[in-house]
Amino acid sequence: EAEVAQSPRYKITEKSQAVAFWCDPISGHATLYWYRQILGQGPELLVQFQDESVVDDSQLPKDRFSAERLKGVDSTLKIQPAELGDSAMYLCASSPGRGYEQYFGPGTRLTVT
Amino acid sequence: GQSLEQPSEVTAVEGAIVQINCTYQTSGFYGLSWYQQHDGGAPTFLSYNALDGLEETGRFSSFLSRSDSYGYLLLQELQMKDSASYFCAVGHQAGTALIFGKGTTLSVSS
Repeated sequence: EAEVAQSPRYKITEKSQAVAFWCDPISGHATLYWYRQILGQGPELLVQFQDESVVDDSQLPKDRFSAERLKGVDSTLKIQPAELGDSAMYLCASSPGRGYEQYFGPGTRLTVT
Repeated sequence: GQSLEQPSEVTAVEGAIVQINCTYQTSGFYGLSWYQQHDGGAPTFLSYNALDGLEETGRFSSFLSRSDSYGYLLLQELQMKDSASYFCAVGHQAGTALIFGKGTTLSVSS
């Protein structure tokens, strides 16, 4: 069964350092999402891609966060510099086009110290 | 503003039936989705309602009333493995990202 892959699964970094997360969506899924989930809350959208184009990045803190999906397949989310408040689970999801049905990866749990 | 309201916690025993309600207030509405998330796991899709009425998928059913901005997830014949967090989520329009509620933690005991 096809799955969304993410790496690393866990990341501990010091504040002011740079971190990067990688996501490989299910093959053929044109839509890719990055969400952030704080413990006890629901996922919140950071950025949405349709193929290689950004569709929605209105909630992405662009002063420190960046995301790319250069060839319309895998994607990278970067934070520079990391802040203590960035500690959260970062989830990647993909969809074949039906936005209501999204397939999530296992996530990257980021701890900023 | 946009908001989804659902109870924070629900407890039940094995074999019982439980209903998790969700009310929403969003600018634009395309449909209501439900996701399950076990501790430490990723959210997984359960069901979707675009039109009023009940959708049934095995032990799980989901209901939507667009006029009331309300929906619920119904879990029947509860099993221990159903202990998880359940999120309702709203889409503005086809293909857009979802807005998730804060989730309901369901604890099933024997």
